[in-house]
Amino acid sequence: DAGVTQSPTHLIKTRGQHVTLRCSPISGHKSVSWYQQVLGQGPQFIFQYYEKEERGRGNFPDRFSARQFPNYSSELNVNALLLGDSALYLCASSSRDRAYEQYFGPGTRLTVT
Amino acid sequence: AQRVTQPEKLLSVFKGAPVELKCNYSYSGSPELFWYVQYSRQRLQLLLRHISRESIKGFTADLNKGETSFHLKKPFAQEEDSAMYYCALSGGSNTGKLIFGQGTTLQVKP
Repeated sequence: DAGVTQSPTHLIKTRGQHVTLRCSPISGHKSVSWYQQVLGQGPQFIFQYYEKEERGRGNFPDRFSARQFPNYSSELNVNALLLGDSALYLCASSSRDRAYEQYFGPGTRLTVT
Repeated sequence: AQRVTQPEKLLSVFKGAPVELKCNYSYSGSPELFWYVQYSRQRLQLLLRHISRESIKGFTADLNKGETSFHLKKPFAQEEDSAMYYCALSGGSNTGKLIFGQGTTLQVKP
């Protein structure tokens, strides 16, 4: 198992555009969480999905949305991009019984110009 | 409000010296606390969990509810311990929501 995978690795967008980030969890993991990590800060929770349902949402505007597919992969969508959305977006998967033990992907580096 | 504070951005010690990475938290209820670590060019990974009360790679952490702290300690630092360390709080019982501190870079000098 390659672990959690994310695509793309890097992305450059301009203000006002829309972006979709993708994540594939570890095989057997049904929970996916998304985090935003701004340079110099710790990861900040955005969403958690379990069995295709949203189980938690952080303090992010409605421009941020996500979904989980039947194969447990997930997409994070951000509309109307702002300069402040520039960050590393991390995806993490976990099993149901050990939700606290999150396995992180390498992240997608988003730059908004 | 739920919050995790790591007061030191950088901690630099010599090999063989004791290490203590500080973490304080704010949480109403019974917290679950963790330390995550990110070595150079590697992914963020779980180091230890307070409930398990185990020692991983020589590191231990004790939850002090009175002082709302969860400091990470190691008696003798090794060069391979150099990494970014994040203290994290679980935002609910067995949920996938973790609240992270800002992180502390540990630099172990030879």
